[in-house]
Amino acid sequence: DTEVTQTPKHLVMGMTNKKSLKCEQHMGHRAMYWYKQKAKKPPELMFVYSYEKLSINESVPSRFSPECPNSSLLNLHLHALQPEDSALYLCASSRILDRISSYNEQFFGPGTRLTVL
Amino acid sequence: GDSVTQMEGPVTLSEEAFLTINCTYTATGYPSLFWYVQYPGEGLQLLLKATKADDKGSNKGFEATYRKETTSFHLEKGSVQVSDSAVYFCALRGTTGYSSASKIIFGSGTRLSIRP
Repeated sequence: DTEVTQTPKHLVMGMTNKKSLKCEQHMGHRAMYWYKQKAKKPPELMFVYSYEKLSINESVPSRFSPECPNSSLLNLHLHALQPEDSALYLCASSRILDRISSYNEQFFGPGTRLTVL
Repeated sequence: GDSVTQMEGPVTLSEEAFLTINCTYTATGYPSLFWYVQYPGEGLQLLLKATKADDKGSNKGFEATYRKETTSFHLEKGSVQVSDSAVYFCALRGTTGYSSASKIIFGSGTRLSIRP
């Protein structure tokens, strides 16, 4: 299994809703990432987990709450989002988080397209 | 800080035309360089990569050479197909620190459309 899966594929939510995005990989990777991609823009890093611990938070608002319950799963909990948070949310994983380039190659999932009304 | 600059799109070509998408970078040390492709409605796929100067990455007929002297990593393909229509992102990952190695810096993306 060499892929990263994300669910749901599409999500529409109101500003008062609470929802979660899920990401799963079974490649034995120990680093997982969340990116946000606005329309016609490149992806921007949000969070990085290494060995199930949060390693990097790119100053993301607290209405986004990541969770890594085990080495295969990564969640992004959403609460009180704003319409400007509408975007494609991409998950990625890599073998480990390290400076050795061959271990650091990131594999991306297909993304969840989020619309906040 | 590290950055990637790639040619603005959209780029429209006829099938079997030669493709070049320019990419230059600014980074300390010796970053790893990548080209990612994003087909409509999909996530990112790694197209090719190069990790040191003069390395040539290649895949599916696409090529790019890591040029340290010109800080460039231009994407080329000799004969494009309609199925190559997508958005192409040039990117780098630094090697000068833990945070730098964790983060991929993407260019703004170039939308490529191929006419039959």
